[in-house]
Amino acid sequence: NAGVMQNPRHLVRRRGQEARLRCSPVKGHSHVYWYRQLPEEGLKFMVYLQKENIIDESGMPKERFSAEFPKEGPSILRIQQVVRGDSAAYFCASSPPPYRDDGLDGYTFGSGTRLTVV
Amino acid sequence: TQLLEQSPQFLSIQEGENLTVYCNSSSVFSSLQWYRQEPGEGPVLLVTVVTGGEVKKLKRLTFQFGDARKDSSLHITAAQTGDTGLYLCAGVNNFNKFYFGSGTKLNVKP
Repeated sequence: NAGVMQNPRHLVRRRGQEARLRCSPVKGHSHVYWYRQLPEEGLKFMVYLQKENIIDESGMPKERFSAEFPKEGPSILRIQQVVRGDSAAYFCASSPPPYRDDGLDGYTFGSGTRLTVV
Repeated sequence: TQLLEQSPQFLSIQEGENLTVYCNSSSVFSSLQWYRQEPGEGPVLLVTVVTGGEVKKLKRLTFQFGDARKDSSLHITAAQTGDTGLYLCAGVNNFNKFYFGSGTKLNVKP
């Protein structure tokens, strides 16, 4: 499967615990984007990363949320001290560098991680 | 602030009917994409439109980008039950930032 792989598909955490969501981009894609989606709503941008760099984190809450995309390994979205309001589907997308002709057409989403905070 | 407004929010039609979904904004985008999302899955890219006035056809789906690159429409001819899903538009700015609309939930009844 050459697509974006997200795991776990479902994650249940108690209030106050940490949630770590993983995203392995399409092979050869160097750009990763994280989005959050509530039921019956569109996707809200959270963060845009390149390998070892955060390009745009304007959609990330200032506290408890962090993201990384290391040189090796998957991108990680980390939520510390989760609260009920963090319950949502979190989607990752990857793309080739945007300046390439196929940059936007290569934009591919994973199947998401559904986080439930109890 | 919702930069992109999609309408209608919900649409339920019979198989064989035609429909149009709209995506409107007061902002100019360098390009616009349409996605289809099924329950429990991630959005799947249908098309990217880049040039103002551009029209792209994908079998029974016709996509149009407004002349001013602020709006777009998706027209489906002779809808099928397999077209059921959430249709999302996304505007892309010059800094490669994506703004998604809130979606149009389409139900095609047999």
